[in-house]
Amino acid sequence: NAGVTQTPKFQVLKTGQSMTLQCAQDMNHEYMSWYRQDPGMGLRLIHYSVGAGITDQGEVPNGYNVSRSTTEDFPLRLLSAAPSQTSVYFCASRNTGYGYTFGSGTRLTVV
Amino acid sequence: AQSVTQLDSHVSVSEGTPVLLRCNYSSSYSPSLFWYVQHPNKGLQLLLKYTSAATLVKGINGFEAEFKKSETSFHLTKPSAHMSDAAEYFCVVSDQTGANNLFFGTGTRLTVIP
Repeated sequence: NAGVTQTPKFQVLKTGQSMTLQCAQDMNHEYMSWYRQDPGMGLRLIHYSVGAGITDQGEVPNGYNVSRSTTEDFPLRLLSAAPSQTSVYFCASRNTGYGYTFGSGTRLTVV
Repeated sequence: AQSVTQLDSHVSVSEGTPVLLRCNYSSSYSPSLFWYVQHPNKGLQLLLKYTSAATLVKGINGFEAEFKKSETSFHLTKPSAHMSDAAEYFCVVSDQTGANNLFFGTGTRLTVIP
């Protein structure tokens, strides 16, 4: 089925470890983005991309890196995980209008 | 800059009574506004969107919202709450600067009492 696929669904990291959250979409959407969701704070934009080879920072980019080498994939990298990065992460893609499609989320715990 | 403020972090209603979830927006231009719903441990689902057409917007599951420019509000309503409406609701604004990034409110948790 067409949509946004996030892997893994759950992850526990130790402080200082690095990891990559994967996001893939098969709808040929140019726009993709990453959000984090924390209790009482809604979703906050981390990074976004308006097409392959183009990325930009959102509201809370510190501690995260992204790249967009293909239209389909938009991985989010944590270089050195910190407990403050414990959160639920959502990837989203969008067509030319306002038709956002969200992934099912990755629940990350940093201990 | 654009932002939304959800005025209540938690709303409780009895089943069968009306629902009102309040949202005020701030934008330097005519905004695009959305309501999303998130059921427990689930992803996000679009309820409805306003993009400068009719000011009364009808969404899924009997929800609707009215865009009021004079009050900078976009409140979500439903005439009769159902148990399945219990969820977290987010008011969202788009920045309309080309990327059309979404900016979320802090959310309102709706509890429906049987």
